[in-house]
Amino acid sequence: KNEVEQSPQNLTAQEGEFITINCSYSVGISALHWLQQHPGGGIVSLFMLSSGKKKHGRLIATINIQEKHSSLHITASHPRDSAVYICAVTAGSGGGADGLTFGKGTHLIIQP
Amino acid sequence: GAGVSQSPSNKVTEKGKDVELRCDPISGHTALYWYRQSLGQGLEFLIYFQGNSAPDKSGLPSDRFSAERTGGSVSTLTIQRTQQEDSAVYLCASSLYGVSYNEQFFGPGTRLTVL
Repeated sequence: KNEVEQSPQNLTAQEGEFITINCSYSVGISALHWLQQHPGGGIVSLFMLSSGKKKHGRLIATINIQEKHSSLHITASHPRDSAVYICAVTAGSGGGADGLTFGKGTHLIIQP
Repeated sequence: GAGVSQSPSNKVTEKGKDVELRCDPISGHTALYWYRQSLGQGLEFLIYFQGNSAPDKSGLPSDRFSAERTGGSVSTLTIQRTQQEDSAVYLCASSLYGVSYNEQFFGPGTRLTVL
């Protein structure tokens, strides 16, 4: 079973700061997902990646398959970015039967 | 293009009662997943359906939990003889195909409270 570790667990920053959240996993995967959950809200998929880098607006996700590590970056952070960010992985077999294995999440607060 | 819907949004029940949670996936999505989010355990995977078939039920926490999917669409998760440790938010997600590199779309969840 894959172990997914996220850091930091909690992060408070000022508006405008560059944010980095890290995720590492223990065994090979076929895909890594970054998810966002606002307080009391549902889960939204931000990125799914298996190699390289993806960018969407102010969000950037990177993955290094050899090092079993991914980072989520937020540029020019804003209070509306305050949420829990969750890293999740799917098994290396490529099938869906294992579902997602989740990290414990990073609770991000952006202060104005 | 409605998203994944779940009902009820909240359910309060007494210990020992049975509950049924419903998930309506995005139309055309063949894969459906059930997850549970609790304070102590975080997010955990329960079961996956490809069409109407669940290849592996070992993620279900106990034999009090069962799930089915009919017509390749709606799924129900049933918990029999509920216990207080079953209190959690139960999330459903769907994806176009049941392969791990497909994006999963999550429903809003059902918050279950067992008194």
